[in-house]
Amino acid sequence: DAGVIQSPRHEVTEMGQEVTLRCKPISGHDYLFWYRQTMMRGLELLIYFNNNVPIDDSGMPEDRFSAKMPNASFSTLKIQPSEPRDSAVYFCASSLRGAGEAFFGQGTRLTVV
Amino acid sequence: KQEVTQIPAALSVPEGENLVLNCSFTDSAIYNLQWFRQDPGKGLTSLLLIQSSQREQTSGRLNASLDKSSGRSTLYIAASQPGDSATYLCAVIGGNNRLAFGKGNQVVVIP
Repeated sequence: DAGVIQSPRHEVTEMGQEVTLRCKPISGHDYLFWYRQTMMRGLELLIYFNNNVPIDDSGMPEDRFSAKMPNASFSTLKIQPSEPRDSAVYFCASSLRGAGEAFFGQGTRLTVV
Repeated sequence: KQEVTQIPAALSVPEGENLVLNCSFTDSAIYNLQWFRQDPGKGLTSLLLIQSSQREQTSGRLNASLDKSSGRSTLYIAASQPGDSATYLCAVIGGNNRLAFGKGNQVVVIP
């Protein structure tokens, strides 16, 4: 398996623009997680899905953030409108069970100018 | 709320020395604990997963121990090499399936 695949690897956008991050989990994994990493706050869970259903979105910072998982092999994290404080590395991870070993993608480095 | 602490934040060791990295957590009601490695600008690579019923896990030069009652885990890396230079992250998984991360130990192995 190719592991968790995220795209794009880097994204630079202007404040106010819409940003969409994409993730393909490991085939067969039924849990998918979105994390954000910053120097100040470290890694924070934004939202996670089980069998394509959002279970806990309490980490989503504002209504500007939304996430979907239309099928077992694809998820998106959207920010609309984007702001400079959204600049961070966004990671997607998947696991076979909720408390099972988590595998991370390479991340998307987002810069909002 | 689960708090995970990793001390020291950064350390340097000469090549060949054994590395000892510490992780502590405040809520002992965990399912699993996972150690990751992160290289600069890269994603997280899973090193070891310790289930709550286990006391340790080993993989090659790596050994991780878990003491749930005291809220501690230790990652040992034997005979360190320059290629071991990276940031090591500890994460605990509770009943809510959320991984709570420490800030990491930034390790430099000096040739």
